[in-house]
Amino acid sequence: GAGVSQSPSNKVTEKGKDVELRCDPISGHTALYWYRQRLGQGLEFLIYFQGNSAPDKSGLPSDRFSAERTGESVSTLTIQRTQQEDSAVYLCASSLERGGLNEQFFGPGTRLTVL
Amino acid sequence: ILNVEQSPQSLHVQEGDSTNFTCSFPSSNFYALHWYRWETAKSPEALFVMTLNGDEKKKGRISATLNTKEGYSYLYIKGSQPEDSATYLCAFRLNYGQNFVFGPGTRLSVLP
Repeated sequence: GAGVSQSPSNKVTEKGKDVELRCDPISGHTALYWYRQRLGQGLEFLIYFQGNSAPDKSGLPSDRFSAERTGESVSTLTIQRTQQEDSAVYLCASSLERGGLNEQFFGPGTRLTVL
Repeated sequence: ILNVEQSPQSLHVQEGDSTNFTCSFPSSNFYALHWYRWETAKSPEALFVMTLNGDEKKKGRISATLNTKEGYSYLYIKGSQPEDSATYLCAFRLNYGQNFVFGPGTRLSVLP
């Protein structure tokens, strides 16, 4: 596609439910990142996929969070048993990851509200 | 844990003023520093990618410099306009293939 897309754009859920967020990166981009921004805070790294390498999961805040990526395409971020502190904007970004530039292209984000 | 700092946290300037803000990062190892502009209700947008000590990049009225030895980068905006109002983020990368560490951002408001 022309850019990174994410769905849904907004998600309201009840505490304790599971949610799944989707990211479609730019075609050909080998690297994919998930971030979140909670209210009043900065951009927080969650997970990074690069080609066929093992993902860098060092930013996932708890074992309720998991993410998968199929090859170099779609990624899903799953949050199990959501808590109110999970409310945030979840951003996905992709990059070409070739040479030194590697600028990230961000999607529009998914705003998650946990009631 | 890598720490990337930005200052000031926020600032308000009048239209036409020039301004600058700082990104500080660990100087022991360095691969790249990125600057992004994040406007309200939009996605972060890449401004510059800087990789060499002494790099200077320019895009219109916005420019950036990089000092990897002392661990800082400056972003300058000349003749600020209301459309420059945004949060400016820097992102540090220690090594190729590793994730980015973002600073908390500087929120700029340009008053007409």
